[in-house]
Amino acid sequence: EDKVVQSPLSLVVHEGDTVTLNCSYEVTNFRSLLWYKQEKKAPTFLFMLTSSGIEKKSGRLSSILDKKELFSILNITATQTGDSAVYLCAHPGEYGNKLVFGAGTILRVKS
Amino acid sequence: DAGITQSPRHKVTETGTPVTLRCHQTENHRYMYWYRQDPGHGLRLIHYSYGVKDTDKGEVSDGYSVSRSKTEDFLLTLESATSSQTSVYFCAISENRNTEAFFGQGTRLTVV
Repeated sequence: EDKVVQSPLSLVVHEGDTVTLNCSYEVTNFRSLLWYKQEKKAPTFLFMLTSSGIEKKSGRLSSILDKKELFSILNITATQTGDSAVYLCAHPGEYGNKLVFGAGTILRVKS
Repeated sequence: DAGITQSPRHKVTETGTPVTLRCHQTENHRYMYWYRQDPGHGLRLIHYSYGVKDTDKGEVSDGYSVSRSKTEDFLLTLESATSSQTSVYFCAISENRNTEAFFGQGTRLTVV
């Protein structure tokens, strides 16, 4: 069964802290793993990972995939209040035709 | 931003009435999706489409139907709305399978 589990469910940090968000998954035929950020409205795409051990980076955000252990992490360094959001992890399912999402991690960054 | 427009953005309706939500895209993407988002459940797939007149069910399809008569439009219909269908509904599009999806701004539906 296709499944995505994210942890922690919520997290409160102070500005400047570094955070690590976790995503574990189960899928019969792995294709990719995606990360999204959701503020008040629509989820916005962050990263798509297909290969183990290769870090994807965008500014203070980075992500890496471990296909052997079936998980991914999203790191945010030097957090800012604007990083406060729900971070969603997803994979496109066994046939690649639909995104299966985890419940998300709620991140709150306090100033 | 990807060209995705959802309408209406907000709707309040009564139990038992039919409701149709519209998703319109200008990207000519093949795949279109309808998700609902509820606290504690994340985004759950209702139905998706992989081409004109080609649709399939997602994990929470009961009580919903869809239609796609043109590439750019994907309609979600609640045949007889119930309070359990109060939710935020998101449309998403992707160019092809196994590519990233882009989301519309959402429709907040309240069934009273």
